[in-house]
Amino acid sequence: AQSVAQPEDQVNVAEGNPLTVKCTYSVSGNPYLFWYVQYPNRGLQFLLKYITGDNLVKGSYGFEAEFNKSQTSFHLKKPSALVSDSALYFCAVRDGTGGYQKVTFGIGTKLQVIP
Amino acid sequence: KAGVTQTPRYLIKTRGQQVTLSCSPISGHRSVSWYQQTPGQGLQFLFEYFSETQRNKGNFPGRFSGRQFSNSRSEMNVSTLELGDSALYLCASSLSDGSTDTQYFGPGTRLTVL
Repeated sequence: AQSVAQPEDQVNVAEGNPLTVKCTYSVSGNPYLFWYVQYPNRGLQFLLKYITGDNLVKGSYGFEAEFNKSQTSFHLKKPSALVSDSALYFCAVRDGTGGYQKVTFGIGTKLQVIP
Repeated sequence: KAGVTQTPRYLIKTRGQQVTLSCSPISGHRSVSWYQQTPGQGLQFLFEYFSETQRNKGNFPGRFSGRQFSNSRSEMNVSTLELGDSALYLCASSLSDGSTDTQYFGPGTRLTVL
C-alpha cells in the first residue's frame, strides 16, 4: 500500500524568509510525486511533480521540491515567502510500478506567511 | 481551455435523501477522479473513471456510486445521505490513464447534510 505523511499541520514563516513544507512517502515501486495548493473555497491547483530525472523539480509561483530517495522525502521549498502563499498544501504519491494505481494524498499542511 | 467544472457548487440536503453531483472535465481529458475532502481526513479517494470504465475504487460504502459518459463527463451519486457525508467533493480530470498524468481539479461541490 502507498501512503503520504505531512508531519506538520501548520507551518508559520515570516514574509521574505525561505519556507519548507515537508512530505515523506511510502510506495513499493517507483514513486510519482505531486504537490498541490488549495486556497480557501477553491479546488486544488497543481504546483509541480516528480516522475524521473533531476531530483530538484521547479514548479509554479517560484516553488520547487527536492526528491530524496534514501529519505523517501519530497519537501516543498521556496526561497522567499509571500503573504499570498498562505494556503493549504497537499503532497500526493502514485506508485508507478505494477499497473495503474490511484493517487494518495497527504492530510495537508497549512502555510501561514506572516507580514 | 476551460478548466474542470462542477455543478452544483453548493447543496443542502437532509438525511436519507440522495444527491447527484456532476463534473465536466477539461476538453480532451478522458480520465475523471472523485475525492471527498473533510477537515480531519484530508482528501479521500472515491473512484476513478477512464473511457466510461471504473479503474479504481476507494474504501467507501456502496451508497457512493459514479459513472462516466461517452463525452467524459462524470456524475457521482450518494444515496441515503448521512450527516457524515457533509464534505467538499472534488473532481479531477487528467489527459489519459497514464500514471504520470497530472490531475487538474475543479472548484468542488460543498455538500451539507442536515
